[in-house]
Amino acid sequence: NAGVTQTPKFRVLKTGQSMTLLCAQDMNHEYMYWYRQDPGMGLRLIHYSVGEGTTAKGEVPDGYNVSRLKKQNFLLGLESAAPSQTSVYFCASSRDTGELFFGEGSRLTVL
Amino acid sequence: AQSVTQPDIHITVSEGASLELRCNYSYGATPYLFWYVQSPGQGLQLLLKYFSGDTLVQGIKGFEAEFKRSQSSFNLRKPSVHWSDAAEYFCAVGAGLNTGFQKLVFGTGTRLLVSP
Repeated sequence: NAGVTQTPKFRVLKTGQSMTLLCAQDMNHEYMYWYRQDPGMGLRLIHYSVGEGTTAKGEVPDGYNVSRLKKQNFLLGLESAAPSQTSVYFCASSRDTGELFFGEGSRLTVL
Repeated sequence: AQSVTQPDIHITVSEGASLELRCNYSYGATPYLFWYVQSPGQGLQLLLKYFSGDTLVQGIKGFEAEFKRSQSSFNLRKPSVHWSDAAEYFCAVGAGLNTGFQKLVFGTGTRLLVSP
């Protein structure tokens, strides 16, 4: 029972490089989210999706893009990475109970 | 917009002692409230949630929380702490379209240390 799986778990980028984080859930959840976690700031919502083919901006969307082509996958892209995007990224999904299920996180360092 | 304040960055509790973690929220409507726990290197796990009804809610691992509208608080409690409870705890308030979809706003977290 995998739940929410994030890949990769660790990545180091140089400023200006691009990358994509993949989130996959096997619980048939309708809603999916991307958060970033920074020390002393808790978790902040980057983008979210209320269903396949839909995306919307959260609290801190600048510098990120997302896509949800399949219900089970939610991709987070960085087109031109900046040091300010060094963070731990968490994907989550939810259905109808209000409980968010989180992945184990992806640690990104931008040099 | 909603917001959450967790005034304690760190708390140290002796094993077997009681625990209370503070959470204050700001939200114009009836809030959906949550407590999550994060162990080192892990994602977040739901401890408990409040949507409506009884203001004292029970969660997993022996935790409970009480919603007090007059104080805008949702404090987390446990009568006897175990060493395995050492982790970081996050309070969150949800602005959802329904109970299923929740745009959570998290507090900055409280790190719990458990001493022998």
